[in-house]
Amino acid sequence: DIQMTQSPSSVSASVGDRVTITCRASQGISTWLAWYQQKPGKAPKLLIYAASSLQSGVPSRFSGTGSGTDFTLTISSLQPEDFATYYCQQTNSFPRTFGQGTKVEIK
Amino acid sequence: EVQLVETGGGLIQPGGSLRLSCAASGFTVSSNYMSWVRQAPGKGLDWVSVIYSGGSTYYADSVKGRFTISRDNSNNTVDLQMSSLRAEDTAVYYCARVGTGGRAFDIWGQGTMVTVSS
Repeated sequence: DIQMTQSPSSVSASVGDRVTITCRASQGISTWLAWYQQKPGKAPKLLIYAASSLQSGVPSRFSGTGSGTDFTLTISSLQPEDFATYYCQQTNSFPRTFGQGTKVEIK
Repeated sequence: EVQLVETGGGLIQPGGSLRLSCAASGFTVSSNYMSWVRQAPGKGLDWVSVIYSGGSTYYADSVKGRFTISRDNSNNTVDLQMSSLRAEDTAVYYCARVGTGGRAFDIWGQGTMVTVSS
């Protein structure tokens, strides 16, 4: 199975800050990588697919980069509605493993 | 409107069986890949199973042989039959559509809670 490791596990930031979350795969997955946002009590929401493609309707302050084993999700200017937990997921092979999550908290 | 609605969750004793259903609207499940993902209380996301449009199915090792994913084209639903349930199966179960972009899960249901406890 491919292991997905996110860092950091949590980050405290202020509105307007630039936030970067990294995700590392235990083996190469090309660009088969998705990012999701989840708020408490809600279903996850797709932000980025194929490592860098922005899902329709998602604000442009979200961006994704990477290929192979190392990936990043960047929020260019954190907004109040962005405080949530973020997950990466590899879609290269089965099982479709997720990272453990990164909680973005208010500083 | 494109949406997914899960039903069927509840409290079940260890060793018991439960069937979850996911009703789709705004699109046809038979033309899409459909998946189940679960989330134990306070934990991260855990992929469970997928059914391809052609009917092929795949499972996480933790549920293989105990869970079965299927599709009812007439009702436009995707079901998850769960048997030999264990305490560690306690979770919110989400149904999700696999989008055409990067095989990511682009539409999610609101989830249904399954609690396995005596």
